[in-house]
Amino acid sequence: GQNIDQPTEMTATEGAIVQINCTYQTSGFNGLFWYQQHAGEAPTFLSYNVLDGLEEKGRFSSFLSRSKGYSYLLLKELQMKDSASYLCAVRDSNYQLIWGAGTKLIIKP
Amino acid sequence: GAVVSQHPSWVICKSGTSVKIECRSLDFQATTMFWYRQFPKQSLMLMATSNEGSKATYEQGVEKDKFLINHASLTLSTLTVTSAHPEDSSFYICSARDPIAGENSPLHFGNGTRLTVT
Repeated sequence: GQNIDQPTEMTATEGAIVQINCTYQTSGFNGLFWYQQHAGEAPTFLSYNVLDGLEEKGRFSSFLSRSKGYSYLLLKELQMKDSASYLCAVRDSNYQLIWGAGTKLIIKP
Repeated sequence: GAVVSQHPSWVICKSGTSVKIECRSLDFQATTMFWYRQFPKQSLMLMATSNEGSKATYEQGVEKDKFLINHASLTLSTLTVTSAHPEDSSFYICSARDPIAGENSPLHFGNGTRLTVT
């Protein structure tokens, strides 16, 4: 079966750095997406990785290792507004998106 | 960037009634739209793929006669929850990808509809 694992919940301090991991087992791979979802709202796109390595976008970076079936989302200089759920999604060989259950990130002052 | 609009944002209805949710792509044409459902503290679950001008493709376990999908134009898809029951209460979200942006472009989501069936 297809599976995506990410931690259920993480806590970090304002101004700090946090890394949210995602591991996946899917039938084929055609890219990995990270989305941010605030409570009661729809997800918003953060990043996309299809090749190994690090993609940086301001305070957010995403890393991919296809051989390990592993990705992480790195958030720097955390702000209170970063409190949200972060969803990892992988596109399989049929270009279907497989979603992780999301990681709820709690930022404390 | 690509914008997807969803209406209504929230709706409360009585058991047995039907509710229609609209999803529009505002600045691009979407031949395909995706309808998701999300229960509290759970991930997105794909319900069906809406195809312009043809029948929707439903995921296993989703009743096509209960969740009616119509994709009559390149910018509008509707989901109708028929004979709603309290267990249908959930957060329904539509999404679409701008085909011009290519296969690697991300899904853009509507703001979601919070359905409460009493």
